[in-house]
Amino acid sequence: SAVISQKPSRDICQRGTSLTIQCQVDSQVTMMFWYRQQPGQSLTLIATANQGSEATYESGFVIDKFPISRPNLTFSTLTVSNMSPEDSSIYLCSVEWAWESGANVLTFGAGSRLTVL
Amino acid sequence: DAKTTQPTSMDCAEGRAANLPCNHSTISGNEYVYWYRQIHSQGPQYIIHGLKNNETNEMASLIITEDRKSSTLILPHATLRDTAVYYCIVRVKGTGGFKTIFGAGTRLFVKA
Repeated sequence: SAVISQKPSRDICQRGTSLTIQCQVDSQVTMMFWYRQQPGQSLTLIATANQGSEATYESGFVIDKFPISRPNLTFSTLTVSNMSPEDSSIYLCSVEWAWESGANVLTFGAGSRLTVL
Repeated sequence: DAKTTQPTSMDCAEGRAANLPCNHSTISGNEYVYWYRQIHSQGPQYIIHGLKNNETNEMASLIITEDRKSSTLILPHATLRDTAVYYCIVRVKGTGGFKTIFGAGTRLFVKA
């Protein structure tokens, strides 16, 4: 499996500003995913980011609010734009590994905890 | 939406086996069942997966019923550090391919 580094690990942001979260993987991967976890809730998939193509967003998430870059097979960024207190969450990057058996397993970063004041 | 249902929470005594059930009645023949757990303030951690046969690794065992409509994750000797939210997952097919959708999971409390 891969080792995933996310930056920042946490941040406190002002309303109306934007923050970019970086996800670095120690090996090349095709499938990367961004999740959000609001306080006390489960994980919600924001988008799938594949290298060389536009990110695919889930219902309720739009590119203008959460622009994603995937410049190569080891790196991705998620920007949370024009933040409001409702964006206070943990944002998690994950990558998918295909096993020989045909299974696909996710590895997660430690997450980026954002607090918007 | 998640394709699985799990109890909201469970308790287990330290040292005893923790048996976490999961229903996945709509699973298709070639879909795997995956289990992850999330310890407080950490990213989710993969535990185990299975297709038809029972599986065991260093962390847990996975028992899948013959009709594949349900499964049970077994932590054979639960410790306090196993207190976490456990997610049972069957991947969902979307426009961009398969994706992992998390339900609410089961919050396991291991008590001394």
